[in-house]
Amino acid sequence: DSGVTQTPKHLITATGQRVTLRCSPRSGDLSVYWYQQSLDQGLQFLIQYYNGEERAKGNILERFSAQQFPDLHSELNLSSLELGDSALYFCASSVAPGPLDEQFFGPGTRLTVL
Amino acid sequence: GQSLEQPSEVTAVEGAIVQINCTYQTSGFYGLSWYQQHDGGAPTFLSYNALDGLEETGRFSSFLSRSDSYGYLLLQELQMKDSASYFCAVRVDSGGGADGLTFGKGTHLIIQP
Repeated sequence: DSGVTQTPKHLITATGQRVTLRCSPRSGDLSVYWYQQSLDQGLQFLIQYYNGEERAKGNILERFSAQQFPDLHSELNLSSLELGDSALYFCASSVAPGPLDEQFFGPGTRLTVL
Repeated sequence: GQSLEQPSEVTAVEGAIVQINCTYQTSGFYGLSWYQQHDGGAPTFLSYNALDGLEETGRFSSFLSRSDSYGYLLLQELQMKDSASYFCAVRVDSGGGADGLTFGKGTHLIIQP
């Protein structure tokens, strides 16, 4: 158990819908990262937040957005869902955003778009 | 952009030693990380190399050569529980400090009794 929690564990929805994934970082961690894992794209970095502010963007689609709240939990919003958005979405956290700061991954949310 | 190459699958025997190679092309390179992921599970951190050389942690060792843009993960005394996917990953700096991890496609390690 990494100490990072994600809800829900599984999510099944239809194309065109909008969903919100939630992540609570480890106690004391200020930085949160979102990753998407699919069979064809592998593990891809989406976006990073540090202490409430967006810090870096990866391969995040415009239909996706995220935020980190004052209590440091983060939400990833996925809208106008397409079949290809079906994937495992991981949240990770670290104490700080530096390159030496180990990232701890949550158990993931499995999203299925039908 | 960044790219990492690693073998898609490696098979080894219980008790043996296996090496998983990773070559990378990137800019703003900080270091090379290795993660383990069991089926359906979350990636878990194994090691990080920022400098050239070998880092040892128990049965696992990781090596980096920055001049060759190459690294490897060495697993010794293989156990059945080591059957998993292993990812090499880099953190780069796109101008605002260290970004998230860029992962290779992963190496599926199969351990045979």
